[in-house]
Amino acid sequence: KNEVEQSPQNLTAQEGEFITINCSYSVGISALHWLQQHPGGGIVSLFMLSSGKKKHGRLIATINIQEKHSSLHITASHPRDSAVYICAVSFTDKLIFGTGTRLQVFP
Amino acid sequence: KAGVTQTPRYLIKTRGQQVTLSCSPISGHRSVSWYQQTPGQGLQFLFEYFSETQRNKGNFPGRFSGRQFSNSRSEMNVSTLELGDSALYLCASSLDGRGLGELFFGEGSRLTVL
Repeated sequence: KNEVEQSPQNLTAQEGEFITINCSYSVGISALHWLQQHPGGGIVSLFMLSSGKKKHGRLIATINIQEKHSSLHITASHPRDSAVYICAVSFTDKLIFGTGTRLQVFP
Repeated sequence: KAGVTQTPRYLIKTRGQQVTLSCSPISGHRSVSWYQQTPGQGLQFLFEYFSETQRNKGNFPGRFSGRQFSNSRSEMNVSTLELGDSALYLCASSLDGRGLGELFFGEGSRLTVL
C-alpha cells in the first residue's frame, strides 16, 4: 500500500467548474505539499500545510490531520489550470509523493 | 531573484558510463534536495544536502551520490549507468529543508541511458 494516495488519477472538466483533488496518507507527517507540474517537467509549489486551510487566488488547500486527508480545490477552473497536481508529505525528513492527478480543463 | 538552475537540461549516455548533474539553488537557500521522476515509479526522493552535509537519503543504490559546496551549489553523480536510470532528475532548494519549507524546483535534467 502506498503511503500517499491521490484521487482521482485523471480528471476532465469544463472551464468554470469547481475541481477537487484528494490526498490521503497513512503515516504521521510534519507537513503536506501541493505541487503543480506542467508538460515539460517544471514543478511549482502551490501550498505547504501543516494544519487548517490556505487560499491563494482561485486555489484552496485544506488538511485534516486527524483523518490524514487533504484536499486541493480549484474554483472557476480555466484551461491554464491543466496540469498534473501532486501531493507530497514530509515524513521522517523525507518527501513521499503521491502518483499525481492529471487535470484537463476544456474551454 | 534568480530561480533554481539545473544543468545540463538534456543528456544522453550509454550503459556503464557515469553522469554528473548540477543544481544551483536560490541565493540564501542552504537546503538542496534531489528527486528522480520516472513514468513507472513517479517522483522519488534521492537525498538532501544542508550546509554541505547529507542530511537524508532515499532508497537508492550506492551508485547514486551527491555533494554540496560551500556556496550551496549541489551536484549529483550516478555511476555505472543502467537503462533504468533514464529519468527526469529534479532538484529543489529551500531555506530550511526536511520538507518543512516552501520548495523551489529547477526545470530538471532529462537523462536518457542507451
